[in-house]
Amino acid sequence: DVQMTQSPSSLSASVGDRVTLTCRASQSISRYLNWYQQKPGKAPNLLIYAASSLQSGAPSRFSGSGSGTDFTLTISSLQPEDFATYYCQQSYSLPNTFGQGTKLEIK
Amino acid sequence: QVHLQESGPGLVKPSETLSLTCSVSGDSINTYYWSWIRQPPGKGPEWIGYIFFSGSTDYNPSLRSRVTISVDTSKNQFSLKLSSVTAADTAVYYCARESSYFGTGSSFDYWGQGTLVTVSS
Repeated sequence: DVQMTQSPSSLSASVGDRVTLTCRASQSISRYLNWYQQKPGKAPNLLIYAASSLQSGAPSRFSGSGSGTDFTLTISSLQPEDFATYYCQQSYSLPNTFGQGTKLEIK
Repeated sequence: QVHLQESGPGLVKPSETLSLTCSVSGDSINTYYWSWIRQPPGKGPEWIGYIFFSGSTDYNPSLRSRVTISVDTSKNQFSLKLSSVTAADTAVYYCARESSYFGTGSSFDYWGQGTLVTVSS
C-alpha cells in the first residue's frame, strides 16, 4: 500500500494568514493526489483533485501543487470557515489511501 | 444535485455481519464507480472497496476476506456487508461516488452524510 504522511498533524493560525499543509507519499504517485476538508460530524468534502485542479464550488483561496512524492495544499488567506481537518488521498494505486490528517485550529 | 444516503443498523454484535445500503438520487448508478469508506473515531478515512454497475468490484486487501459489495441497479442502490465484525470495526461508514481523471485516477466527489456503526454486545 502507498502510505500517505501529512505534516504537521495540527496547526494554529489566524484569520487572514497564508498557510501551507504538506502531504508526502511513500512512493511516487505522479499527480494522483486529492485533498479533502472535513468539519466535525460531517463527511469529507473534495477541494482539490489531480494535485492542483480546484473542485467545482471550492473557493479559489485553496490551491494545490506537487508531483511525485511531495504535495502541498495552500490557503491564501484563512477564513473562519476554513478551520477544519484536511486529508490527502492517493488514487495512483489500489487500495486508495488517506493521510492521517492536519487539524487547522484558530490561534 | 447528487445525493447519497446510508441506511442500516447502528449497533452490531461481535462476530455478526454489518449490513449497510446506500441509496443514490440525482444520478444514475449506471455510471461511475461507487465506494464504501469508513472512519474510526479520531482517525483518518479508510477505503473499503468499490463497485461498478456491471458488478465489478475491488476491495481493500486488509478487509477482502470479510467484505462483499453488491449493486441493485433497479433501486439505484449499492450495499456493503462486512462479516465477523469486532470492536475494531466501529466507525462512521460513508458511501461515496468516484469520479475519474487522467483515465486512471479518481477522487471521491460526492459523499453520504455517514452512519455510525458500533460493534458491541
